[in-house]
Amino acid sequence: SQKIEQNSEALNIQEGKTATLTCNYTNYSPAYLQWYRQDPGRGPVFLLLIRENEKEKRKERLKVTFDTTLKQSLFHITASQPADSATYLCALGLSLYSSASKIIFGSGTRLSIRP
Amino acid sequence: DADVTQTPRNRITKTGKRIMLECSQTKGHDRMYWYRQDPGLGLRLIYYSFDVKDINKGEISDGYSVSRQAQAKFSLSLESAIPNQTALYFCATSDFYGGRGEQFFGPGTRLTVL
Repeated sequence: SQKIEQNSEALNIQEGKTATLTCNYTNYSPAYLQWYRQDPGRGPVFLLLIRENEKEKRKERLKVTFDTTLKQSLFHITASQPADSATYLCALGLSLYSSASKIIFGSGTRLSIRP
Repeated sequence: DADVTQTPRNRITKTGKRIMLECSQTKGHDRMYWYRQDPGLGLRLIYYSFDVKDINKGEISDGYSVSRQAQAKFSLSLESAIPNQTALYFCATSDFYGGRGEQFFGPGTRLTVL
C-alpha cells in the first residue's frame, strides 16, 4: 500500500542545535516533495520544494535532502530557535505539470525547541 | 492567510443537518482544494477543482459535495452531517502555471458534529 511516514513522536530539541525531521514514503514515485510548517489552529505554510532530480535545497537556516533510492527526505533546521516550534508536514507531488497534479500529505512531526 | 478566506471559522451542528463551508480567494489561482485534518491522520483531500468546470473527487469524498461557483469561490457541503465528520477543514489554492505546486491554505474551519 502507499504510505507517507513522518516521525510519529514529537521532537524536542535544545535551542541552537540542529533539528532533523524525516519523511519516508513507499509505493509512490513523486515528481517533487514539499515541506510545510503548521502552527496550532492555522493552515499550513509552504517552506521548500525539492524536485526528484535534486539532491539538496537550502533556504536560510533550512535544508532539505531528497533521496529517491531510499525514498526519503530529511528536513534540517540549523541553529534552531523556540520560534521554530511547530508541526512540520511533508507532502509528495505526484506530477508537476500535468492536469492530474495533486499533493499527498504526511501526518506531520511536532517540533519543540526548548530555550 | 488573508488571500484565502474561509467561513465560518467555527461551527457546531447536530447530526443530520446540512452544512456549507465556504472558501474565497483573491490570488487568482485556477486550482482549489478542500482537505480535512484529523489528529494523527494529517491532511486528507476531499475534493479538488482545476477550473470552474472541473471537479474531482479526492480520497475521502463520501458524504461531501462541492460547488465551484466562480474561479474565486469553492464551497464544501455536508449533506447530512455525522459525528465522524468532526474535524478541521482547510481550503487551499495553487497556481498551475507557477510550476512549484505550492499550495496556499486558508485559516481553517473547525466543525463539530454532535
